[in-house]
Amino acid sequence: GAGVSQSPSNKVTEKGKDVELRCDPISGHTALYWYRQSLGQGLEFLIYFQGNSAPDKSGLPSDRFSAERTGGSVSTLTIQRTQQEDSAVYLCASSLVGTGFNQPQHFGDGTRLSIL
Amino acid sequence: QKEVEQNSGPLSVPEGAIASLNCTYSDRGSQSFFWYRQYSGKSPELIMFIYSNGDKEDGRFTAQLNKASQYVSLLIRDSQPSDSATYLCAVAGNNRKLIWGLGTSLGVNP
Repeated sequence: GAGVSQSPSNKVTEKGKDVELRCDPISGHTALYWYRQSLGQGLEFLIYFQGNSAPDKSGLPSDRFSAERTGGSVSTLTIQRTQQEDSAVYLCASSLVGTGFNQPQHFGDGTRLSIL
Repeated sequence: QKEVEQNSGPLSVPEGAIASLNCTYSDRGSQSFFWYRQYSGKSPELIMFIYSNGDKEDGRFTAQLNKASQYVSLLIRDSQPSDSATYLCAVAGNNRKLIWGLGTSLGVNP
């Protein structure tokens, strides 16, 4: 079946502009995660959605970052007034929901964001 | 102490050898353990997951978990140049987010 789909694959924008990144999870996966990975760095957790529960936003680095998930499927990560330090690869993952976080997460190909 | 620690490497092994990748974690209540492979410029790809003490084998890969000593390892038998990548260890306790290590870079030399 289809894997996690992210778009766009690459985004170049000017400092101060807003960007929207999209994630379409694997069908049937009710858990969805956003991560950020800067060059040569580890994965940085941003936000987690599970079904209809309130999202865990504890990893969002500032109020310029927001995310929503409509209809329990597609998610959009929005970065307002982008800064150069926002340049990174933004990764989306999805999983089934089990006990705690015991279900494997499956990643999309990511969006490479470059802020000029 | 970091919550999940991995030797950053690089670990270099000759083709055909066994590569051994190790990961230690600090939360004794951790229940779920994952190994991902990440090629340069690509996203992480799930290799194996393990929940119980002992060994779990899948093809050339074996995950080993020792909860008493708080470590999980990944063995790659008959290493191939295509196994050259960064290997990420991720650990979760009940109701806790997945905690990621920074990864070990593996190079397999032909």
